[in-house]
Amino acid sequence: DSGVTQTPKHLITATGQRVTLRCSPRSGDLSVYWYQQSLDQGLQFLIQYYNGEERAKGNILERFSAQQFPDLHSELNLSSLELGDSALYFCASSVAGLNNEQFFGPGTRLTVL
Amino acid sequence: AQTVTQSQPEMSVQEAETVTLSCTYDTSESNYYLFWYKQPPSRQMILVIRQEAYKQQNATENRFSVNFQKAAKSFSLKISDSQLGDTAMYFCASATSGAGSYQLTFGKGTKLSVIP
Repeated sequence: DSGVTQTPKHLITATGQRVTLRCSPRSGDLSVYWYQQSLDQGLQFLIQYYNGEERAKGNILERFSAQQFPDLHSELNLSSLELGDSALYFCASSVAGLNNEQFFGPGTRLTVL
Repeated sequence: AQTVTQSQPEMSVQEAETVTLSCTYDTSESNYYLFWYKQPPSRQMILVIRQEAYKQQNATENRFSVNFQKAAKSFSLKISDSQLGDTAMYFCASATSGAGSYQLTFGKGTKLSVIP
């Protein structure tokens, strides 16, 4: 158990819909990262928040957005879903700094039908 | 931009034998970390080992060790005394401190099967 929690574990929805994925980081971790794992694209970085502020963006679509709340939990919002958005979405957290390990949550499996 | 390349999509090894997984990377940063993550069938991402670019000594963690060749931008993982529980996808990854973020850039992964 990494100490990072993600809900829900599985999500099945239809094209065009909107979903919200939730992540609670380890106690004390200020950084939250979102990654997408798909068969086509592999594992890729989406976005990072640090203490409530957006720190970096990766290959995140405009239909996707995220935020980090004062209690440090984070949400990833996916809208106008397409079949290609089906993937495993990971949240990871770390304290800060390059030498600090990122701890991954168990992931949310999103299936778009 | 960083890139990480794993050229072996699949590998297999007999139980108790040694196997080496290859990884090459490219970065323009001078300060970076390299990682190997394991993803078993449960899909959980587990850190196996990490290496700081400034350290010449190769990192080791029990049965896992790396061969870090900085000039060649190579970072291979050696698993000794392979066990059935080592069966998993293995991802090589890099992270730099560019722009104050430390996001991981992953390779495509190597699927390792340990055969009894």
